[in-house]
Amino acid sequence: KAGVTQTPRYLIKTRGQQVTLSCSPISGHRSVSWYQQTPGQGLQFLFEYFSETQRNKGNFPGRFSGRQFSNSRSEMNVSTLELGDSALYLCASTSGSGETQYFGPGTRLLVL
Amino acid sequence: EDQVTQSPEALRLQEGESSSLNCSYTVSGLRGLFWYRQDPGKGPEFLFTLYSAGEEKEKERLKATLTKKESFLHITAPKPEDSATYLCAGIYGGSQGNLIFGKGTKLSVKP
Repeated sequence: KAGVTQTPRYLIKTRGQQVTLSCSPISGHRSVSWYQQTPGQGLQFLFEYFSETQRNKGNFPGRFSGRQFSNSRSEMNVSTLELGDSALYLCASTSGSGETQYFGPGTRLLVL
Repeated sequence: EDQVTQSPEALRLQEGESSSLNCSYTVSGLRGLFWYRQDPGKGPEFLFTLYSAGEEKEKERLKATLTKKESFLHITAPKPEDSATYLCAGIYGGSQGNLIFGKGTKLSVKP
C-alpha cells in the first residue's frame, strides 16, 4: 500500500508570493491533516479535512488555507508569504478507525 | 490550553544502556496518545497509539505505557539505529486528526 505522498518536496519562494502544496493520503483514508514544523515551535496543527469539509482548524492566520477534493487529495495554500513561514509542512492521513495517523515526507519551504 | 511536554529534551545513551522518555499532558479532554519517531529531514513515523491508563504496547526494543497523567517510552538495550527524535502527541477534540505535539526527545545512541 502506497504511503502518504507530498509534492513538491522542496520549494523556494520570496516574500509576498503565494504557494500551494499538495498531499495524497493513503488509499481509503478520508481524513487529511496539515502541520507546520519549525525548530522553535515544533509541530503545530494547521487544519484537518474530512470528506471535503474542514473539520478542525489550528491557530494560524487566514493566509493559511486548505481544501480537499472528492478523491481525498488535499492542498494547502499560503498567501502573502512571510519569512517566518519557512518550515517543513507535513501532511498526515488518518485511518478510518482513527487508530493510526501516518505522515508524509513533508514539503520543505524556504521563504527568502 | 492543552499541553504536551516531553522530557528530557536530549538523551545520550551507550549502546545497550536502557532508559525511558517521558511525556506528560493536560489530562482534561485527552482522548488518546500517539508516539512517533522522526529521523532528520523526514516525516514522523508512527509507533504506537495508547488510549487507556494501564495500557502497554511493544515493538522490538520499544515499549510505550500510559498512566493517568503521563506516558513513557521505554527503550531496552538500544542500538545506534534507534537514534532519532521521539515525539508524543495528545489527541484532543472531536476527531483524531487534531494532534497536539510535544517538542520531542532527541535520542543519541553511541556504539
